[in-house]
Amino acid sequence: GAGVSQSPSNKVTEKGKDVELRCDPISGHTALYWYRQSLGQGLEFLIYFQGNSAPDKSGLPSDRFSAERTGGSVSTLTIQRTQQEDSAVYLCASSLNSNQPQHFGDGTRLSIL
Amino acid sequence: DQQVKQNSPSLSVQEGRISILNCDYTNSMFDYFLWYKKYPAEGPTFLISISSIKDKNEDGRFTVFLNKSAKHLSLHIVPSQPGDSAVYFCALREGAGSYQLTFGKGTKLSVIP
Repeated sequence: GAGVSQSPSNKVTEKGKDVELRCDPISGHTALYWYRQSLGQGLEFLIYFQGNSAPDKSGLPSDRFSAERTGGSVSTLTIQRTQQEDSAVYLCASSLNSNQPQHFGDGTRLSIL
Repeated sequence: DQQVKQNSPSLSVQEGRISILNCDYTNSMFDYFLWYKKYPAEGPTFLISISSIKDKNEDGRFTVFLNKSAKHLSLHIVPSQPGDSAVYFCALREGAGSYQLTFGKGTKLSVIP
């Protein structure tokens, strides 16, 4: 597709459940990023992929968060045993390489009841 | 402590006038500066950028100014149009080869017809 695609666009789930968020980057983009935006806050960096490798996982808030990327393309962000503080918009971005501007998807709005 | 601050959460400007959005930072290692625009329910869209070797970059109605000594970045939009109404984020990168962007909390611009 022309842009970064994220699914689902909205997710409502009960506390304690696991959720999986998907990101399809722009074709040919080697770098992929996950961010989180909580209400009234700026974007918080979570993780960066270069190809299938994640050299920087420093932004993941806890060990309940994990991410993978396969085939140098699609990435999934998994949150296990969700908590209410995980409620946020999760944004994925990709760039041609790490020095180029990042292009964002429309995000997944996650609500934990 | 926030490294990147957008001190005005909102700004209202009359159509046709100039909009000036400001961003202050504390880390002198930032070397690449970007502005993103975000409409509701959409991801941020890259607008314009400037590297630390320049003090001005212009693209149509949008001009970004960088004052390194004051650690201050601004975005000028002239003339402002109702379609410019959105949240604007500054995003800063630390050092060549760095991929991680640090975002401000955003300024909501409203252009009044």
